[in-house]
Amino acid sequence: SQTIHQWPATLVQPVGSPLSLECTVEGTSNPNLYWYRQAAGRGLQLLFYSVGIGQISSEVPQNLSASRPQDRQFILSSKKLLLSDSGFYLCAWGPRYTEAFFGQGTRLTVV
Amino acid sequence: GESVGLHLPTLSVQEGDNSIINCAYSNSASDYFIWYKQESGKGPQFIIDIRSNMDKRQGQRVTVLLNKTVKHLSLQIAATQPGDSAVYFCAERQNQGGKLIFGQGTELSVKP
Repeated sequence: SQTIHQWPATLVQPVGSPLSLECTVEGTSNPNLYWYRQAAGRGLQLLFYSVGIGQISSEVPQNLSASRPQDRQFILSSKKLLLSDSGFYLCAWGPRYTEAFFGQGTRLTVV
Repeated sequence: GESVGLHLPTLSVQEGDNSIINCAYSNSASDYFIWYKQESGKGPQFIIDIRSNMDKRQGQRVTVLLNKTVKHLSLQIAATQPGDSAVYFCAERQNQGGKLIFGQGTELSVKP
């Protein structure tokens, strides 16, 4: 069966520090991969999605970047965090034409 | 479409009543739609899906209706239970095999 791992669950980082959130998927190959951000009490905003290794689509201009160094690994990064980067970050994977399955999320607080 | 900056609308129902949660989607070319349930502090969980060549699909206690003419999606929950309390999101897949865009979300509160 397929599983998705996202870590860490919570993270507190100072303004200006770098960020690296990692997401890995097991039990499938060539999935679509997604990074979403969710502010408290708000909807899910698509940040990046990838249909293959090295193929990243950025949905909104921002302080973040994403990379897919391996087929089942998706990394969200920042060189210098801003206060506005705080939020709940969700990684998801999906087969090409059906639903997406979500990880448990990372609660990021930038202080 | 995405309304990520807005506060979530709320729906309050009595336990045992039926719930109807509505969603408007943005892209007439979207061909696949999903309803998710999100409990506090967790990732969204799949509830039910429907393809654009269908108008209605039923699951266990849930029904999804799709009206492509007005780009509207609804989720009906029969005999709502306290465990159904959560935030519900619709999502559309834009372009075949493409990205998944979430709607605004609705917070469902079930009163015992």
